[in-house]
Amino acid sequence: DVKVTQSSRYLVKRTGEKVFLECVQDMDHENMFWYRQDPGLGLRLIYFSYDVKMKEKGDIPEGYSVSREKKERFSLILESASTNQTSMYLCASSLSLATSYEQYFGPGTRLTVT
Amino acid sequence: KQEVTQIPAALSVPEGENLVLNCSFTDSAIYNLQWFRQDPGKGLTSLLLIQSSQREQTSGRLNASLDKSSGRSTLYIAASQPGDSATYLCAGGVGSEKLVFGKGTKLTVNP
Repeated sequence: DVKVTQSSRYLVKRTGEKVFLECVQDMDHENMFWYRQDPGLGLRLIYFSYDVKMKEKGDIPEGYSVSREKKERFSLILESASTNQTSMYLCASSLSLATSYEQYFGPGTRLTVT
Repeated sequence: KQEVTQIPAALSVPEGENLVLNCSFTDSAIYNLQWFRQDPGKGLTSLLLIQSSQREQTSGRLNASLDKSSGRSTLYIAASQPGDSATYLCAGGVGSEKLVFGKGTKLTVNP
């Protein structure tokens, strides 16, 4: 089974702090994604990566950056956390085009910024 | 731009009922359609993936169909159980690695 893990289930940070959310997948997937999920807004794509050191902006990249130094690990960075970044963050991964992009999700990180 | 809509936002049924969840999308050039289940406070679990060349997929009591010409997908759940209570999301693949998600249908199956 594909396994996607996220470093924390719950996280509480203060405004202005630098926050790192880590995601690791164990199935040698090329593609990795970061989403945030908010009530009434659904899932929105922040960034994705289709290869090591490669990244593309999603729909809402402002205030975030990402890092992918190894194939299995994709990090989301909040450079200076703000209260409007309080949300559920979900990481996902998928194989290449050959497998039609079926995405597998981690358990999520509930981030609260106070 | 692809938009995915799920109606209704919430559905409550008695145990044992067969039910259909609906998903519609605006761009028929959809690459695939994926159905997920999400339990409260948890991540998404992939249920079924239908590729654009397919019309349906089945897994146990679940059957998902895809009609690109009408821009619709349905998820059929047979003989519903209280353990099926969750939010069900559909998402369309849009010609790249990305998925566009609907906002989900919250299903409650009452014992």
